Amino acid sequence: EVQLVESGGGLVQPGGSLRLSCAASGFTFSSYWMSWVRQAPGKGLEWVANINEDGSEKYYVDSVKGRFTISRDNVKNSLYLQMNLQMNSLRAEDTAVYYCATRGPLAAAGTRDYWGQGTLVTVSS
Amino acid sequence: EIVMTQSPATLSVSPGERATLSCRASQSVSSNLAWYQQKPGQAPRLLIYAVSTRATDIPARFSGSGSGTEFTLTISSLQSEDFAVYYCQQYNNWPYTFGQGTKLEIK
Repeated sequence: EVQLVESGGGLVQPGGSLRLSCAASGFTFSSYWMSWVRQAPGKGLEWVANINEDGSEKYYVDSVKGRFTISRDNVKNSLYLQMNLQMNSLRAEDTAVYYCATRGPLAAAGTRDYWGQGTLVTVSS
Repeated sequence: EIVMTQSPATLSVSPGERATLSCRASQSVSSNLAWYQQKPGQAPRLLIYAVSTRATDIPARFSGSGSGTEFTLTISSLQSEDFAVYYCQQYNNWPYTFGQGTKLEIK
């Protein structure tokens, strides 16, 4: 059974940093693209970042480019999202549930049929 | 960035009736269009990809149609468990983008 378990969320002050983790199991992690998708409270979904199987290709939505870094460890079967330590890096609009997601062998590339339960990041002073 | 626009924002339908949800893209997404269902407190669930292909274990009452910029999700006979928020998503161009959602509520 595919399982994706996020962790690392919490309360962080504007300008702070946070690293989210996603522990994957039940599938060959190193064979699949992975993604982070977020959802602000009461709002819709926003696709944040993608990473390919070996970590050599990374894509970001413009709103997080230069501030967030997606990475993976195929030995530990883990996905990460570093929400970066820079002046004004984390903003109130980054407050959201962050989901880790991937697709199984039958779903189309670019869609996600396996999702974690999400981890809440709250940016507030 | 491709903007996805869903209508209506809220749809009130009685159980057993048909629901039709619409999604429009700001430019062609070819057939790279998916639909998700999300219930409160849960992660999204993939329903449809490639416009009309049902994902694994999705009931046949869910169907998708359309091409280019205009797409439709139809639920043929609403069951109680179908009342939720539905999102369309394009994966033709990066960044992948979602519509703002249609809330399907019980009439």
